Amino acid sequence: KQEVTQIPAALSVPEGENLVLNCSFTDSAIYNLQWFRQDPGKGLTSLLLIQSSQREQTSGRLNASLDKSSGRSTLYIAASQPGDSATYLCAVKIGANSKLTFGKGITLSVRP
Amino acid sequence: DTGVSQDPRHKITKRGQNVTFRCDPISEHNRLYWYRQTLGQGPEFLTYFQNEAQLEKSRLLSDRFSAERPKGSFSTLEIQRTEQGDSAMYLCASSLAGAGGFNEQFFGPGTRLTVL
Repeated sequence: KQEVTQIPAALSVPEGENLVLNCSFTDSAIYNLQWFRQDPGKGLTSLLLIQSSQREQTSGRLNASLDKSSGRSTLYIAASQPGDSATYLCAVKIGANSKLTFGKGITLSVRP
Repeated sequence: DTGVSQDPRHKITKRGQNVTFRCDPISEHNRLYWYRQTLGQGPEFLTYFQNEAQLEKSRLLSDRFSAERPKGSFSTLEIQRTEQGDSAMYLCASSLAGAGGFNEQFFGPGTRLTVL
């Protein structure tokens, strides 16, 4: 059974800091991995999707990497801003037609 | 393309009542997923449809839960005889399944259910 872990559960950083959010998964035979953002009481916004054949994806200040062999992904946020404060979830899919398995998320607070 | 929509956004009900939620996927998407998220947890898979066929159901989906997608477009999720443990955010997602695609799932805003 695939399990996804995100540690720590919460993180607080000062504005402007570069930061890395970690995600680990137990079964390396994944189809793809997605990073999502969730604001309090809201739905999920997809940030980046990495296919199993890819090593990284970039969008603006965000960069996600994938190391399937070690079962790890990282989300790098450059020059953090208070508007980045949210919960960040990673999720893996083991097949093209399968469900997403989520971690519990990391709640990020960026202090002005 | 207006994205995935869900209705209602919030529902408060008394224990034992039945509730029904609706999800409208992105128009050309043939796959529709339901997830449940409790406080401090990631979303957990409930069920999914390809067109009108319900292809997989989680063991979380007890016999009090039923989902339909009658015409392969919108979907409904009904909970009968609600219990306080059903209080959660119910999320719907849709994707386009087919060769060459990533089957990326796009999520709606969710329906927050509170059972008193």
